[in-house]
Amino acid sequence: AQKITQTQPGMFVQEKEAVTLDCTYDTSDPSYGLFWYKQPSSGEMIFLIYQGSYDQQNATEGRYSLNFQKARKSANLVISASQLGDSAMYFCAMREPYNTDKLIFGTGTRLQVFP
Amino acid sequence: DAGVTQSPTHLIKTRGQQVTLRCSPKSGHDTVSWYQQALGQGPQFIFQYYEEEERQRGNFPDRFSGHQFPNYSSELNVNALLLGDSALYLCASSLTGRGGELFFGEGSRLTVL
Repeated sequence: AQKITQTQPGMFVQEKEAVTLDCTYDTSDPSYGLFWYKQPSSGEMIFLIYQGSYDQQNATEGRYSLNFQKARKSANLVISASQLGDSAMYFCAMREPYNTDKLIFGTGTRLQVFP
Repeated sequence: DAGVTQSPTHLIKTRGQQVTLRCSPKSGHDTVSWYQQALGQGPQFIFQYYEEEERQRGNFPDRFSGHQFPNYSSELNVNALLLGDSALYLCASSLTGRGGELFFGEGSRLTVL
């Protein structure tokens, strides 16, 4: 069965520092996609970054990068130069097979950025 | 470019009642899916609509039903509401074949008393 594991219920980081949020996944399908979403207290799921299983390079979107280690089945999110506005819940999710919008979400990590 | 929009944002119902939630997909998207997010948990997939048909369904009872209209907008209906249906209901949209695009709306927060 497909599964996403986020082992960090909460993380603290000082403003302007980098932080890594962990995500491991389990699937037997060779074709899958991995997503990271940010959910502030307002509730909206904000798309951050996407990595396809066949993508050769790690995905990057501005201050966000995805450290994709396929053999270890990990897809950690790296946020560089943290800002106070980055404080939120962060969810890792997996889509499989490729042509579906069914995502399996992890339990999330609450990130708090302090001055 | 309008993103995914949902209505209403908040609503309160009592047990046994029925509710309808609405979603307009991001411009250019043709597929809509619905998720339920209970407090403190990650979202759970309810179902996906494409070409006005339910294409895939998660582990939810038949009390949960939906519809997609020709303009790609969608409705989620929940009948015979239970206290456990209290949650944030999220709509997501995508364009078929574009694997990396899946955008969510702000959600409809349902409270069942």
